[in-house]
Amino acid sequence: GQQLNQSPQSMFIQEGEDVSMNCTSSSIFNTWLWYKQDPGEGPVLLIALYKAGELTSNGRLTAQFGITRKDSFLNISASIPSDVGIYFCAGQWNSGTYKYIFGTGTRLKVLA
Amino acid sequence: GAGVSQSPSNKVTEKGKDVELRCDPISGHTALYWYRQRLGQGLEFLIYFQGNSAPDKSGLPSDRFSAERTGESVSTLTIQRTQQEDSAVYLCASSSYLESSYFGAGTRLSVL
Repeated sequence: GQQLNQSPQSMFIQEGEDVSMNCTSSSIFNTWLWYKQDPGEGPVLLIALYKAGELTSNGRLTAQFGITRKDSFLNISASIPSDVGIYFCAGQWNSGTYKYIFGTGTRLKVLA
Repeated sequence: GAGVSQSPSNKVTEKGKDVELRCDPISGHTALYWYRQRLGQGLEFLIYFQGNSAPDKSGLPSDRFSAERTGESVSTLTIQRTQQEDSAVYLCASSSYLESSYFGAGTRLSVL
């Protein structure tokens, strides 16, 4: 079945540093989503990508839909302590159903 | 409604009791998903609904777990004869084709 690999699994960074994480799949996706989950909360949608090559920003966050349609990247610039949390990618492919699959998450800790 | 609503937000039960968790998806969203998230872990897929049918139940961990959806709206996840290992946050999400998937805040289940 389809698999989604997200890396890194966790990272500690200093405040002000840039962060990069990515997801790769074994299948071609039509949609990529990136979420952030704060402790005790449900995941919140950050960025949605719908076309290969698309580059979309949301404040200090930038995500790209890879041109192969099998990967996506999320970058966070000038990280701040409130960026701490778990970041998930999710992808949707055209299999006749609308199911999304999720990556295993990247746990981000920002050191002030 | 404006977002995905889950109830109850917290549930404490005794081992061996049955529990029902409810999810109200975003109006018009045809797809609905249930995930389980253990403390400090990623999202574990349980079941996916397309309309009222469940084309993918592959994530249900045992026959004690079941879910149904009626009216292409509300879904109920039922756990029979709960075990301590069932303690987790149960998250529901909904989406529509080529639209983003949104999560509820989750139900935190504690089995004593």
